Amino acid sequence: GDSVTQMEGPVTLSEEAFLTINCTYTATGYPSLFWYVQYPGEGLQLLLKATKADDKGSNKGFEATYRKETTSFHLEKGSVQVSDSAVYFCALLIQGAQKLVFGQGTRLTINP
Amino acid sequence: EAGVTQFPSHSVIEKGQTVTLRCDPISGHDNLYWYRRVMGKEIKFLLHFVKESKQDESGMPNNRFLAERTGGTYSTLKVQPAELEDSGVYFCASSRYDVDYGYTFGSGTRLTVV
Repeated sequence: GDSVTQMEGPVTLSEEAFLTINCTYTATGYPSLFWYVQYPGEGLQLLLKATKADDKGSNKGFEATYRKETTSFHLEKGSVQVSDSAVYFCALLIQGAQKLVFGQGTRLTINP
Repeated sequence: EAGVTQFPSHSVIEKGQTVTLRCDPISGHDNLYWYRRVMGKEIKFLLHFVKESKQDESGMPNNRFLAERTGGTYSTLKVQPAELEDSGVYFCASSRYDVDYGYTFGSGTRLTVV
């Protein structure tokens, strides 16, 4: 079945460090891919998305590129801030479906 | 516009009791979804309403879970009787159109069954 695998956390970095959170997927058809973020005490927020191969989603300094050949959608940011501390979820949506399939989430903590 | 509202934010109940979670979607959003995250694992789909109709309830774990959306506005998710494995965070989301445009999620209800 369809599934998403994220790198296990927690991940702890220092401010201004480079961030990569790996995400790979298994899907039939051609999914859309998403990164959601959950800040402490808040709901899930859409961070970025990509709907077809080689698309790059970007927002708030974060980027992810839809790589069909490696079935990946890794999240990157060049210089993280303390305010980026949150739980990050990779997700996919199968064409024609109305439900998201999520990865297990990666807790990120940024220290000053 | 007001966001998706869920309450209670936290609930602690004993095994065998009944709990009802409520979700108020954004006004005008016909699509309403329930998801849950159990014990730090992945977030899993439970069901999808379009207005008051259940479009897809393939993720409902068993018949102890009952979801309703009378009148196509707010929704309730009842767990009766609750079991220990039902502990987790229950998220509600709503959207006006196709989910590819993005959902808006609520902040979730943390349910603990002891």
